[in-house]
Amino acid sequence: AQSVAQPEDQVNVAEGNPLTVKCTYSVSGNPYLFWYVQYPNRGLQFLLKYITGDNLVKGSYGFEAEFNKSQTSFHLKKPSALVSDSALYFCAVRVRVNFNKFYFGSGTKLNVKP
Amino acid sequence: NAGVTQTPKFRILKIGQSMTLQCAQDMNHNYMYWYRQDPGMGLKLIYYSVGAGITDKGEVPNGYNVSRSTTEDFPLRLELAAPSQTSVYFCASTRGDSGNTIYFGEGSWLTVV
Repeated sequence: AQSVAQPEDQVNVAEGNPLTVKCTYSVSGNPYLFWYVQYPNRGLQFLLKYITGDNLVKGSYGFEAEFNKSQTSFHLKKPSALVSDSALYFCAVRVRVNFNKFYFGSGTKLNVKP
Repeated sequence: NAGVTQTPKFRILKIGQSMTLQCAQDMNHNYMYWYRQDPGMGLKLIYYSVGAGITDKGEVPNGYNVSRSTTEDFPLRLELAAPSQTSVYFCASTRGDSGNTIYFGEGSWLTVV
């Protein structure tokens, strides 16, 4: 069965410090990987994706993510957090053998404190 | 530049009532989805469609129905509303190419009392 895990319900970080939001996956075949952000009372917005090529992908608002095939992970990172980054973050995977479905993690709430 | 449009934004239903959540996309996407998000939780797939006339069940289809008569529209019908259906509902769409991202509507907040 396909699954995506975000092991931390919440991540707290001080403004200006680096942040990491973790994601691991278990899928059949090679996945396409995505990160989305959700602000309060809004829909999910696309941040970045990994399809192929360089393991480090850069996305919106200074975020980046590193694909690690051996550890089946796709952690979201940012060198210097902003208070405005506080939101709910979702990792998602789209498997190549079943293009119909996206599988989402349970979400990680990021709190950036001034 | 509308993207995925959902209506209504908010609705209160009484137990046993029925209603339809509307979803339309203007990106000519063939795949469309309905998710629900309970407070503090992740997304659960209710139904999805890979094209007009084709729909399939997701993880939590009970109590819901869908239809896909056109590429643009994918309405979700709630029959005999129950308090357990109190949730936020998101419609989403994407193209069939596997590398494409999924685009979400702004959500529909539903309360069943």
